[in-house]
Amino acid sequence: GAVVSQHPSWVICKSGTSVKIECRSLDFQATTMFWYRQFPKQSLMLMATSNEGSKATYEQGVEKDKFLINHASLTLSTLTVTSAHPEDSSFYICSAPQGISNQPQHFGDGTRLSIL
Amino acid sequence: GENVEQHPSTLSVQEGDSAVIKCTYSDSASNYFPWYKQELGKRPQLIIDIRSNVGEKKDQRIAVTLNKTAKHFSLHITETQPEDSAVYFCAASSWSSGDKLTFGTGTRLAVRP
Repeated sequence: GAVVSQHPSWVICKSGTSVKIECRSLDFQATTMFWYRQFPKQSLMLMATSNEGSKATYEQGVEKDKFLINHASLTLSTLTVTSAHPEDSSFYICSAPQGISNQPQHFGDGTRLSIL
Repeated sequence: GENVEQHPSTLSVQEGDSAVIKCTYSDSASNYFPWYKQELGKRPQLIIDIRSNVGEKKDQRIAVTLNKTAKHFSLHITETQPEDSAVYFCAASSWSSGDKLTFGTGTRLAVRP
C-alpha cells in the first residue's frame, strides 16, 4: 500500500534552533500534503496545506514565517520550524492523499519535537 | 469551516462487548468520513471510511453508519479485544475544502480483559 515516510522521528534541540522535517510519498505522487500538529492527549490540528509548485495555505492562527513549508517536488514536502521555542514542542505529522477527492490520507510516522 | 464533535471522550468496555463512538459534523458539504485508530506515540491508522453516498459500511468487527440528514456518523466495534484499546478519531472532509480533514477530539477506548 501507499507509504509516507517522515524524518526525523525525534528531535531534541535548544531554543532558537531551526528544525527541518521531511515528508516523502514513497510510491505515489502527491501534489498536496498536509501538516498537522498534535499536543499531548489532544486531537490533530491542521497547520497548513502544502501544494507542489506553489505557496502553502496556512490555517488561521498559524504563523507562516514561523513554520516554513516547501513542496518542491511531487514526492517531498518539508516543514521548517524556525527559531523554535519550548512552546513549539509537539508531535508533527504529515499526510498525503493518494488520489483526488475523498481518498484515504496516508500519514507519516510523525516527528516528536522537544525544544529545551 | 467544518466543526466535528466526538463523544464520548473516554470509553471503557469489557472484552467481548461492543463499543460505539459518535461524531457530528457541521458542514453539509462534507462527503468523506474516515475513522482513525492511534496508539500512543504512533501515527493515526485508517480503520474504516465512508462516503456520503453510502449509509453503512462494515469490515469484519468494525462498522460505520452515516446519517446525512442529522449530520452524524458512528463507529461500531463488536467483540472488542484488548488490542482494540487506543484513541479513536473521527474526521470529515469535502472536495470543496480541498480534502482537508477536520478531526474530532478523540475517544480513548479501554478494553478490559
